[in-house]
Amino acid sequence: GQNIDQPTEMTATEGAIVQINCTYQTSGFNGLFWYQQHAGEAPTFLSYNVLDGLEEKGRFSSFLSRSKGYSYLLLKELQMKDSASYLCAVMDYKLSFGAGTTVTVRA
Amino acid sequence: DVKVTQSSRYLVKRTGEKVFLECVQDMDHENMFWYRQDPGLGLRLIYFSYDVKMKEKGDIPEGYSVSREKKERFSLILESASTNQTSMYLCASRIPSGRRADTQYFGPGTRLTVL
Repeated sequence: GQNIDQPTEMTATEGAIVQINCTYQTSGFNGLFWYQQHAGEAPTFLSYNVLDGLEEKGRFSSFLSRSKGYSYLLLKELQMKDSASYLCAVMDYKLSFGAGTTVTVRA
Repeated sequence: DVKVTQSSRYLVKRTGEKVFLECVQDMDHENMFWYRQDPGLGLRLIYFSYDVKMKEKGDIPEGYSVSREKKERFSLILESASTNQTSMYLCASRIPSGRRADTQYFGPGTRLTVL
């Protein structure tokens, strides 16, 4: 079975940095994904990690430690449009999702 | 541009009705998926399909069935809709694992209300 945990909610100020943690226990591992989902919309792909370390993509970075079953998504220079849910998902032969973290960016 | 479409954005049905949710992708992807999304529970996999005519149960298949007669189309069927099937339904497709493009692309979702 799969167990994927992430915080329910986070709040931060425009221009700040927020780190969303994800811990997982899965029977297999073929990579970890982060998705962004705005209210009422479909999830969209943000990042993919399969090896340990940091993947940077503009203002967003994602980190993976396979031995610890741990990942984080780092959002820098927060903008109001970053207010959304962020979904952590682990791939074995299929994607399993965490419940999502709702990030609210305040002015 | 990647495209996954779903037949309806909003749907209202009555208890006991048979409901069809259609999903079409134009990316020639082999794998297709149906999820439901509920507050606090995240996305849960209902059924998936590796290829045409193939189907596999996901984590919560009870009360649902699927059909994959053509590669581009994956249908979710609620044989007899119940109020606890009120949810957001999301379809997704992807190229099979082994390539970097393992990303799943999601459709816009269908918000189903069963009265």
